[in-house]
Amino acid sequence: AQSVSQHNHHVILSEAASLELGCNYSYGGTVNLFWYVQYPGQHLQLLLKYFSGDPLVKGIKGFEAEFIKSKFSFNLRKPSVQWSDTAEYFCAVMFNSGTYKYIFGTGTRLKVLA
Amino acid sequence: NAGVTQTPKFRILKIGQSMTLQCAQDMNHNYMYWYRQDPGMGLKLIYYSVGAGITDKGEVPNGYNVSRSTTEDFPLRLELAAPSQTSVYFCASNGLSNEQFFGPGTRLTVL
Repeated sequence: AQSVSQHNHHVILSEAASLELGCNYSYGGTVNLFWYVQYPGQHLQLLLKYFSGDPLVKGIKGFEAEFIKSKFSFNLRKPSVQWSDTAEYFCAVMFNSGTYKYIFGTGTRLKVLA
Repeated sequence: NAGVTQTPKFRILKIGQSMTLQCAQDMNHNYMYWYRQDPGMGLKLIYYSVGAGITDKGEVPNGYNVSRSTTEDFPLRLELAAPSQTSVYFCASNGLSNEQFFGPGTRLTVL
C-alpha cells in the first residue's frame, strides 16, 4: 500500500539552529511531492512542492526540500529557524495513479525556543 | 476570492445525531477533498471528488457520505454520529497546479 512516513514526530530547536525534517514514501513511480505547514490554530498552507526538474526546490520563508529519487525521500530543510516557525509540518505525496489522491504523513510538530 | 470556506467552525453532537459539514470553493476547482485530522495521525482522506456528480472513497469513509451536485459545493454528511468521529475536519480543493487549498476546518465533538 502507498504510504508516507515522517520519522520525527516532535522536534525542539533553539532559534538559529538548522532544521531537517525527514519524509519518505513507499511508491516507486512518478510522484508529486509537497510540504505543508500548519501554524497553531490555522489551516494547512503550502510551503513548497516538487513535480519535476531540479530536485532542490525552494519554498516560502526560507524553506527548501530535496527530492532524492533513489531514496524515495523529500526532506525539508531550513538553515536557521525562527520562533515563528513553530508549527506542525506535513509531507504529502500525490501518487500519479490517475486518481488524484494525496497521502499525508503523520506530521512533525516543531517547537522553536526563543 | 474567498478560497475554501467551511461551516460551521465548531459543533457538538450527541451520539446518534446527524449533521452536514458544508464546504464551498470559488476557484472553479474540479477536485475537492474531505480529510479528518486527529492528533499524531496526520490527515486521513475521507472522500474526494473529481468533478460534479463524481465522488469516491478515501482511506476512512465509514460513517460518512458525500455528494457533489455543483462544482462549488462538497458537503460531508454524518448520519449517526459516534465518539470516534470526534475530530477536526478539513475540506480542500485543487486545480491545475495540484496544490491543495484548505479551508479553516470544522472542530466536531461527539458526546
